Amino acid sequence: DVKVTQSSRYLVKRTGEKVFLECVQDMDHENMFWYRQDPGLGLRLIYFSYDVKMKEKGDIPEGYSVSREKKERFSLILESASTNQTSMYLCASRSEKTSGDSSSYNEQFFGPGTRLTVL
Amino acid sequence: AQKVTQAQTEISVVEKEDVTLDCVYETRDTTYYLFWYKQPPSGELVFLIRRNSFDEQNEISGRYSWNFQKSTSSFNFTITASQVVDSAVYFCALSEALRMDSSYKLIFGSGTRLLVRP
Repeated sequence: DVKVTQSSRYLVKRTGEKVFLECVQDMDHENMFWYRQDPGLGLRLIYFSYDVKMKEKGDIPEGYSVSREKKERFSLILESASTNQTSMYLCASRSEKTSGDSSSYNEQFFGPGTRLTVL
Repeated sequence: AQKVTQAQTEISVVEKEDVTLDCVYETRDTTYYLFWYKQPPSGELVFLIRRNSFDEQNEISGRYSWNFQKSTSSFNFTITASQVVDSAVYFCALSEALRMDSSYKLIFGSGTRLLVRP
């Protein structure tokens, strides 16, 4: 079974603190993603990485950065946490390997989420 | 722009009732993929189904069924004989290609919270 783990389920930080959210996957997936989930907005993509040391901005990258030094680990960094970054953060991973069948379009596997509160 | 609309914010049914969750999408891509995920109270999103744009056949998996209609840009999800364990938030999502290979991101709807009462 694919397993995506996140370092914390709940986190409380103060405004201005530097915050690290860690995500680890154990299936040698190439792609990794960070989303935030807010009521009424669904999930929105913050950053993604399609391979080690490769990163791309998603839809809402402002106030965030990421790091992917190893294939299995993708970190989300809040350089200076603000109250509007209080949210649920979800990490996902996905394999780019396919069987060659056009219908084989691999799904993303999600971690349990980190509920971050910034006071 | 890609967009997914789940107009039903919350649905409440009594156990054993059938329930349909609506999903309408917008895309300019000719090739795309649609997904449904379930998010139980534990928080982890659980993959339910993937459907590609070339396959409009409806799919049934146990009590779950999906109706994909390109003509109306809809991908609706029906639970037959609902159970309390079906209570969760359900998300519909649409793929958007990121690069020239198979990398993609997901565009999520805002989710529908389903409450199944005993």
